[in-house]
Amino acid sequence: KNEVEQSPQNLTAQEGEFITINCSYSVGISALHWLQQHPGGGIVSLFMLSSGKKKHGRLIATINIQEKHSSLHITASHPRDSAVYICAVPPRAGSYQLTFGKGTKLSVIP
Amino acid sequence: SQTIHQWPATLVQPVGSPLSLECTVEGTSNPNLYWYRQAAGRGLQLLFYSVGIGQISSEVPQNLSASRPQDRQFILSSKKLLLSDSGFYLCAWTLAGGPRLSEQFFGPGTRLTVL
Repeated sequence: KNEVEQSPQNLTAQEGEFITINCSYSVGISALHWLQQHPGGGIVSLFMLSSGKKKHGRLIATINIQEKHSSLHITASHPRDSAVYICAVPPRAGSYQLTFGKGTKLSVIP
Repeated sequence: SQTIHQWPATLVQPVGSPLSLECTVEGTSNPNLYWYRQAAGRGLQLLFYSVGIGQISSEVPQNLSASRPQDRQFILSSKKLLLSDSGFYLCAWTLAGGPRLSEQFFGPGTRLTVL
């Protein structure tokens, strides 16, 4: 079964700072997901990636398949980015499920 | 475009009462459907998933059940609620093939309090 580790668990940043959240997993995967959970509970899919890098607005996700590691970057952070960011991967090849990391709680202070 | 609906948004139920939560997806066919629960301050726990009508896989044995009577409808039920059933229930979907091939999209959630 895939083990998913996220770091840091909690992160406080000043508005405008560049933010990095890390995710490591133990078993080779076909795709890795980054999710954002808002304070009200709603969850939004940010990225699904299997190689390289993806960018959407101020968010950038990278993955290194050989090192089993992914990073989520937020440029020019804003208080509205305050949320829990969750990394998720399939637990094994062919699975229809996801194994979730424990999440990184980000607070961006004005 | 695809949309996922869940209702009700909030629910307060007494212990021992029945439960029925409904989820429907629009704008896609033959999705994989998922029910998750998130207890207060905890991570997501997969309860059930379905790859087709009438096909339900259970991940956590408990007093909950799920059914998929139509392609884009997923129902979570209980005959008798327990205090430990309190939490935030999320329905989600992916394209056929699951999250190894497709993003997972979540509904707005139902916040259940069992008293």
